[in-house]
Amino acid sequence: GAVVSQHPSWVICKSGTSVKIECRSLDFQATTMFWYRQFPKQSLMLMATSNEGSKATYEQGVEKDKFLINHASLTLSTLTVTSAHPEDSSFYICSARVQGNTEAFFGQGTRLTVV
Amino acid sequence: EDQVTQSPEALRLQEGESSSLNCSYTVSGLRGLFWYRQDPGKGPEFLFTLYSAGEEKEKERLKATLTKKESFLHITAPKPEDSATYLCAVGPNQAGTALIFGKGTTLSVSS
Repeated sequence: GAVVSQHPSWVICKSGTSVKIECRSLDFQATTMFWYRQFPKQSLMLMATSNEGSKATYEQGVEKDKFLINHASLTLSTLTVTSAHPEDSSFYICSARVQGNTEAFFGQGTRLTVV
Repeated sequence: EDQVTQSPEALRLQEGESSSLNCSYTVSGLRGLFWYRQDPGKGPEFLFTLYSAGEEKEKERLKATLTKKESFLHITAPKPEDSATYLCAVGPNQAGTALIFGKGTTLSVSS
């Protein structure tokens, strides 16, 4: 299957700082990538859909000014959590779909802890 | 409204004790039903895609089946390494849209 690489795997940051998470499609081009958030023992909650070369589409209730998404190339999307607070601590996962296929492939996830 | 419901939420099996996980769905135009496995602290790992009622797919001890309203993931003679959360998702008819996930079934297999 296609490979999606996410970095970093985990990060600890101080409250008020910003954190950037990268998501790369290694062996295919992804015009669309998706960012999810997952709380312990909960399912994946879609945060936003990232489209190459255009603005991301955010789900209802997700602050676009807090969760900045950039999809500057066909293989890279980034999620920046700005002015992070402890309540932003969570597991963030990206996914991408190979053009023409319906299944999605996921990155390894990033565990964010804000202290 | 597109929706995916998985049952049970948790399942405990003895090694070798076969069982099935259920995924029922309502979606406006199905473009695929997907099963993923997720280990703690990891992203979901793709297992199967099913596109039409009656379709079946197998991988080692797992077999996925699909009807017009639900899918089953059958686990035959499970081993402890099969312990994980199994997620079901559907792909709506609109291209470029995200998958819709159920809450998952957490499977624990003890030896």
